[in-house]
Amino acid sequence: EVQLVESGGGLVQPGGSLRLSCAASGFILRSYEMNWVRQAPGKGLEWVSYIDSSGSTIYYADSVKGRFTISRDNAKNSLYLQMNTLTAEDTATYYCARVNEDGGNSDYWGQGTLVIVSS
Amino acid sequence: EIVMTQSPGTLSVSPGERATLSCRASQSVSSNLAWYQQKPGQAPRLLIYDASTRATGVPARFSGSGSRTEFNLTISSLQSEDFAVYYCQRYDNWPPWTFGQGTKVEIK
Repeated sequence: EVQLVESGGGLVQPGGSLRLSCAASGFILRSYEMNWVRQAPGKGLEWVSYIDSSGSTIYYADSVKGRFTISRDNAKNSLYLQMNTLTAEDTATYYCARVNEDGGNSDYWGQGTLVIVSS
Repeated sequence: EIVMTQSPGTLSVSPGERATLSCRASQSVSSNLAWYQQKPGQAPRLLIYDASTRATGVPARFSGSGSRTEFNLTISSLQSEDFAVYYCQRYDNWPPWTFGQGTKVEIK
């Protein structure tokens, strides 16, 4: 069974940092591209970042470029999102999502981890 | 950047009735369009990809149609578990991946 489990969320002050992790199981992580997608409370879905299977191609949404860093450790079946210089606008549930082999949609999602940026 | 617009914002439907949700792209996305279902407190679930292909395990009452700029998600006979928010997403030329703002399907 494919599973994605995020961790690392919590309460952080504006300007602070957090590192999110996503543990993958039930499939070979190194074969898949991955995304981070976030959802502010009561709002819609916003794509945050993408990484290809080897980690050599990375993209970011303009809203997080220069502040967030996506990475992966295929040997540990894990995906990461380092988030720096956080603002209140980054408050959201963060989901890791597997990119479908058939295209750019996301066929499996984790349950999400909540990040709250507040003083 | 291509903008995805969903309508209506909220759809009130009685159980057993048919529901049709719309998604419009500001430019052609060919058939690179997915639909997701999200229930309160849960992660999104992929329902439809490539505009009309049901994802694994998705009931046949869900169907997708359309191409280029106009897409529909139809639920043929609404069940209690189908009341949720539905998002469309384009994935033609990425990045970025963009989602519609969502349609909430509520019980009438």
